[in-house]
Amino acid sequence: EPEVTQTPSHQVTQMGQEVILRCVPISNHLYFYWYRQILGQKVEFLVSFYNNEISEKSEIFDDQFSVERPDGSNFTLKIRSTKLEDSAMYFCASSAEQGAWTEAFFGQGTRLTVV
Amino acid sequence: SQQGEEDPQALSIQEGENATMNCSYKTSINNLQWYRQNSGRGLVHLILIRSNEREKHSGRLRVTLDTSKKSSSLLITASRAADTASYFCAPSFSGGYNKLIFGAGTRLAVHP
Repeated sequence: EPEVTQTPSHQVTQMGQEVILRCVPISNHLYFYWYRQILGQKVEFLVSFYNNEISEKSEIFDDQFSVERPDGSNFTLKIRSTKLEDSAMYFCASSAEQGAWTEAFFGQGTRLTVV
Repeated sequence: SQQGEEDPQALSIQEGENATMNCSYKTSINNLQWYRQNSGRGLVHLILIRSNEREKHSGRLRVTLDTSKKSSSLLITASRAADTASYFCAPSFSGGYNKLIFGAGTRLAVHP
């Protein structure tokens, strides 16, 4: 069964450092998303991406964040200068149609710890 | 609000019992999805029910939708310890929002 894969599973970084979280969405999907979940809290939408551009982003997704689809398979989330409060699980998701219209497939997440 | 509100926040039952979780929302929808999240893991899609459907089944899962009351319920029959997880509803609103928004969910604990 096709799946969304995320790497690394766990990333520890020092405050102020840049991190790149990687995702390989399902191959024939067109819509891509990043979500985050701070420990004990709900899953929060960060950004959606379609046709090589951001289609929607939340207030959380400020100038410190960026997304890219550098080739035909990877989808990345970059945090330029990490803060302690960026510590969270980050989930990538993909869907064949717009996320609210059809099933979305989520990766297992990257646990980011900022120290 | 673009999200559904799940109720109860937490539910604790014994194996073999049925578990019912509810979801309420505020405006008209095109469809509503239910997802499960095992602790610290990614979300897994369970069922999508469209606004013109009233009930849908998948294995031990039964989802109902009442658009007049703006509510949905997820029933898990004959629960198992492996059903222990958080469950989320995600309504798709008629305003054309193209992303899934999740609420706080229902934390289900199934005890052997």
